[in-house]
Amino acid sequence: DGGITQSPKYLFRKEGQNVTLSCEQNLNHDAMYWYRQDPGQGLRLIYYSQIVNDFQKGDIAEGYSVSREKKESFPLTVTSAQKNPTAFYLCASSWTGDGYTFGSGTRLTVV
Amino acid sequence: QKEVEQNSGPLSVPEGAIASLNCTYSDRVSQSFFWYRQYSGKSPELIMSIYSNGDKEDGRFTAQLNKASQYVSLLIRDSQPSDSATYLCAVNILAGRRALTFGSGTRLQVQP
Repeated sequence: DGGITQSPKYLFRKEGQNVTLSCEQNLNHDAMYWYRQDPGQGLRLIYYSQIVNDFQKGDIAEGYSVSREKKESFPLTVTSAQKNPTAFYLCASSWTGDGYTFGSGTRLTVV
Repeated sequence: QKEVEQNSGPLSVPEGAIASLNCTYSDRVSQSFFWYRQYSGKSPELIMSIYSNGDKEDGRFTAQLNKASQYVSLLIRDSQPSDSATYLCAVNILAGRRALTFGSGTRLQVQP
């Protein structure tokens, strides 16, 4: 079955540590996205990519980095520069201009 | 002014009633509009998309778009307790940025 897979489901980060969230899709979608959701709030755009080897910053890119070396993969690294990383991270993919398919999300907690 | 605005709710309706969810947006050139349903602790799932003025129906759901007034709404007929969730409105704000901007969502409670 086609879909989008995020891992891990839960992730704990120590202060000063970089962590990488995985996102893989087999829907053959061109575009992939990362959003962050805080409790009781909507989704805020971190980064997005329309094609391989190209990506753009969203509204809250500071403290995050991404790569898009393969069409299927769009990993997100939360760096130590992100001072408040505890949140629910959602990866999505789509055909350009179409609605998104979301992964099941990663809950990141700072310990 | 927020780019995409929704009433946070909760909107409480009795089982079997029509639930009406509203969303306004700031960018007059927006072309694509989506409604997502998000259950607590889960990721959003797409339930409706609409691109042209007017109504679009899919089962118990009807999306309504009025570009002149810059609002989009979602009607849920014969509401069921299983419809209790947060409904997110998403719009492609800013021509050239091919990513959706989401509202903060409206929490719907359907009372049995």
